[in-house]
Amino acid sequence: NAGVTQTPKFRVLKTGQSMTLLCAQDMNHEYMYWYRQDPGMGLRLIHYSVGEGTTAKGEVPDGYNVSRLNKREFSLRLESAAPSQTSVYFCASSYSTSGSNEQFFGPGTRLTVL
Amino acid sequence: GQNIDQPTEMTATEGAIVQINCTYQTSGFNGLFWYQQHAGEAPTFLSYNVLDGLEEKGRFSSFLSRSKGYSYLLLKELQMKDSASYLCAVIDSNYQLIWGAGTKLIIKP
Repeated sequence: NAGVTQTPKFRVLKTGQSMTLLCAQDMNHEYMYWYRQDPGMGLRLIHYSVGEGTTAKGEVPDGYNVSRLNKREFSLRLESAAPSQTSVYFCASSYSTSGSNEQFFGPGTRLTVL
Repeated sequence: GQNIDQPTEMTATEGAIVQINCTYQTSGFNGLFWYQQHAGEAPTFLSYNVLDGLEEKGRFSSFLSRSKGYSYLLLKELQMKDSASYLCAVIDSNYQLIWGAGTKLIIKP
């Protein structure tokens, strides 16, 4: 039972390059999330999905696209990376958003855009 | 706007007790989480409160006062491994999770 996995763990991009971050969970969760975490700031929600085939915008969606490939997998794509997107990206999943259903997090992707 | 306030950094001594406060102003309230995050790692769940009062779980306890928009995390018998950031997060009226910036706790021998 791997929980939430993310690839890659580290990446360095040049401005204008594209990349896709992949997330998979094996807990049969409906809800999946992409966050970014920057020093001195809380986790900020980029996009999320409430089930297979659905996606929705979070707090900071600009410059990012997502796809819920199936129930297990949720990808985040940067079409044209900018230095402002240098951050640590976390994927998370949960059974639901109500009650004590905590979010489980992947190990993170550390992205640097030069 | 929605806001969650936590101290940026706290220092405590091994074996002591520390209280980390969290105040929130959100559009509605459907529960509050505390997460622990060690440097370079992912956040992990510590506790959940939805009713007023104290929830105890081993060395860690979490308190909630909904009328005051206030919670605290109490860590007893501090160990060096408790050095981490502690994140407060509130579920708002839309069932979105709003995160505080976290409190970095430094434990000294």
